[in-house]
Amino acid sequence: KQEVTQIPAALSVPEGENLVLNCSFTDSAIYNLQWFRQDPGKGLTSLLLIQSSQREQTSGRLNASLDKSSGRSTLYIAASQPGDSATYLCAVATLSGGYQKVTFGTGTKLQVIP
Amino acid sequence: DVKVTQSSRYLVKRTGEKVFLECVQDMDHENMFWYRQDPGLGLRLIYFSYDVKMKEKGDIPEGYSVSREKKERFSLILESASTNQTSMYLCASSLSGVSYNEQFFGPGTRLTVL
Repeated sequence: KQEVTQIPAALSVPEGENLVLNCSFTDSAIYNLQWFRQDPGKGLTSLLLIQSSQREQTSGRLNASLDKSSGRSTLYIAASQPGDSATYLCAVATLSGGYQKVTFGTGTKLQVIP
Repeated sequence: DVKVTQSSRYLVKRTGEKVFLECVQDMDHENMFWYRQDPGLGLRLIYFSYDVKMKEKGDIPEGYSVSREKKERFSLILESASTNQTSMYLCASSLSGVSYNEQFFGPGTRLTVL
């Protein structure tokens, strides 16, 4: 059974700092890994999707890496801003019973202090 | 842009009531999902559907049923609401295929059962 862990559960940084969020998973036979952002009381917004054959994806100030063999992904946020404050979730997709199954981590709550 | 909408942002129901949560997507996605999100437990899959009139149980289907009569609409039904079903409910959709495709989420429905 796939298990996804995100450490730390919460992180507070001053504005302008570069930071890294971590995601680890137990079953390396994944199809893809997706990073999401969730604002309080809202739905999930997709940030980056890394296919299993890829090592990283970039979008603006965000860079996500994937190391399947070690069961790890990182989300790098450059020059953090107060607007980046949110909970960040990673989700790992595997094949289960012929269907795609997605397992979510419990998230890292990020606070960027002005 | 993919748009996934949910019928209500907030809902308050009484124990024993039958509750319908509606989800509509406008991108002709084959797959649709219902999750619930609880503090400390993350997102857990309740049911998913990979085609019209098709449904599969997720990890926590007990106390729920679903309906998919049209491709764009996926309904979650609480046959007899109970207080332990108080939660945030999130709907998502994605394209089909064995390869995992990016999931797009709705804004969520915060359900309170009294």
